[in-house]
Amino acid sequence: RKEVEQDPGPFNVPEGATVAFNCTYSNSASQSFFWYRQDCRKEPKLLMSVYSSGNEDGRFTAQLNRASQYISLLIRDSKLSDSATYLCVVNEGSYIPTFGRGTSLIVHP
Amino acid sequence: GAVVSQHPSRVICKSGTSVKIECRSLDFQATTMFWYRQFPKQSLMLMATSNEGSKATYEQGVEKDKFLINHASLTLSTLTVTSAHPEDSSFYICSALAGGTGELFFGEGSRLTVL
Repeated sequence: RKEVEQDPGPFNVPEGATVAFNCTYSNSASQSFFWYRQDCRKEPKLLMSVYSSGNEDGRFTAQLNRASQYISLLIRDSKLSDSATYLCVVNEGSYIPTFGRGTSLIVHP
Repeated sequence: GAVVSQHPSRVICKSGTSVKIECRSLDFQATTMFWYRQFPKQSLMLMATSNEGSKATYEQGVEKDKFLINHASLTLSTLTVTSAHPEDSSFYICSALAGGTGELFFGEGSRLTVL
């Protein structure tokens, strides 16, 4: 199976900071992309899908760069409640989604 | 939105016993479900892909005779951990694929502790 790579972090940022994560994927035929959030001892939950044109949901912005084969997640004005692990998921079209290892974010007061 | 329900959420059992975990898609039909295992502070590890009406596809290193998967209907997949041992203690999570969008919906997870 092709690889999906994420910097595991942790990213340790103060409240109000802007933080960005990248996720690279190796299969150029990948078709759909997602960011999930996983809190400690909980199941992952969809944060947002990533569209070719980029998309924004409040403080969160996701972008896709097909040429360089990466997706990004930008979090503005970080809150304490944003502390979690952020998982990048790439679907190659075979419908077996591939997960990155996750990036840990810690937002401190 | 789509909901996937997993049961039980927590189970403690004695070494050598078998434990069954159920994963149900509540408002959509899931021809494909996935079973993951996650150890503390580690990433999700795909164990197997469960396909309705056919045998599951197991990832390398996952013993199919130990982790029995049955996907007998479009809304239910079960994972049975047979002859459980303490090293099988982990967080088991199922997910179902919403056809067309590629989006995964996760069950709440089952925390297994084998004494």
